[in-house]
Amino acid sequence: NAGVTQTPKFQVLKTGQSMTLQCAQDMNHEYMSWYRQDPGMGLRLIHYSVGAGITDQGEVPNGYNVSRSTTEDFPLRLLSAAPSQTSVYFCASSSAVGEQFFGPGTRLTVL
Amino acid sequence: GENVEQHPSTLSVQEGDSAVIKCTYSDSASNYFPWYKQELGKRPQLIIDIRSNVGEKKDQRIAVTLNKTAKHFSLHITETQPEDSAVYFCAGRTSYGKLTFGQGTILTVHP
Repeated sequence: NAGVTQTPKFQVLKTGQSMTLQCAQDMNHEYMSWYRQDPGMGLRLIHYSVGAGITDQGEVPNGYNVSRSTTEDFPLRLLSAAPSQTSVYFCASSSAVGEQFFGPGTRLTVL
Repeated sequence: GENVEQHPSTLSVQEGDSAVIKCTYSDSASNYFPWYKQELGKRPQLIIDIRSNVGEKKDQRIAVTLNKTAKHFSLHITETQPEDSAVYFCAGRTSYGKLTFGQGTILTVHP
């Protein structure tokens, strides 16, 4: 199993650009989520999904969109990048009652 | 929703000493409490977890205790080693798959 994979590993954007962070898991997990982690800070939940076709907002959803068309994939879209979105983004997945696994992260810089 | 408070925010110990990190939670429906370790530049990784029907769980040098009445749980690391230096996060889970994280504790073990 590859576990949770994320692409790209690093990305630099200019203010106003849009992009999609990719996340995939091969463990048939129902639950997937996106977090952002600013330097020296904790994990803040952006959006999450409890299954294909079902998504909901987390703690800091503004400026981000998600969709879940398949069990495996959970992309995160930045609509119009801002410097405040400079952060490390982690995708995670779990079954309803099991361990949550994190992806390796995407380090995003917005200039 | 669930709120998880974690203390202390930083902890410095000498090699061989014990370290204790404490968390409190607000939702009495929470039934799963994992602890994650995050080394610099890496993803968070599960080190131990406990479910609400268990009061204590041990795995070699680490242990977690849970007091459901008081709604708090603690991580205990004995015989600390420099490689234990990292950021530690506690979390609680109530609803389907969704974890709420504490703010994190930076543990430094001095040789």
